[in-house]
Amino acid sequence: GQQVMQIPQYQHVQEGEDFTTYCNSSTTLSNIQWYKQRPGGHPVFLIQLVKSGEVKKQKRLTFQFGEAKKNSSLHITATQTTDVGTYFCAGRASNYQLIWGAGTKLIIKP
Amino acid sequence: ETGVTQTPRHLVMGMTNKKSLKCEQHLGHNAMYWYKQSAKKPLELMFVYNFKEQTENNSVPSRFSPECPNSSHLFLHLHTLQPEDSALYLCASSQYPGQGALIDTEAFFGQGTRLTVV
Repeated sequence: GQQVMQIPQYQHVQEGEDFTTYCNSSTTLSNIQWYKQRPGGHPVFLIQLVKSGEVKKQKRLTFQFGEAKKNSSLHITATQTTDVGTYFCAGRASNYQLIWGAGTKLIIKP
Repeated sequence: ETGVTQTPRHLVMGMTNKKSLKCEQHLGHNAMYWYKQSAKKPLELMFVYNFKEQTENNSVPSRFSPECPNSSHLFLHLHTLQPEDSALYLCASSQYPGQGALIDTEAFFGQGTRLTVV
């Protein structure tokens, strides 16, 4: 079946270091959304990408959608403690199913 | 407050019990979803309702039975659950733009019900 692979599963960083999570789909997507879930919380929408090659920025967060609309990434520059949580991608497949990645947990080292 | 309210927040039930989870959205959305979140599968879509009609059932066991009486309310009826069904159950809603639309609307999630089956 259609899948969205998200890597890595966990990433440990020192505060101030960068963080990146990647999503790769087995099929072309209509769009991709990104969500953040804080520990003990629920997923909260961050952004949606629709166009091939699209890049969007939200302060220290940069989101990219690949040219083939099969992969996407989220990059956080100079992580802060408020960035801690799990980041999920969710891609809309051609059969209109929404396929979620497994999430990447961002952990800030003490 | 996301506009999506789930009750109860916590539930402990025995394997022979019958219980129901409730979700209510105040956002005027026409699509509602049930998700299961556990350590094994971080976010697993269970059921989708568009315009009160069930459009997706991702091979969910029959011991989970959804009900959508109107576009604002969604229930998940539980019976004869197993300990492995213990998880966080999340409800979400969004505005379904119609099949073929390239752009989605964001999903708003409730706080979830933490279910423990003993």
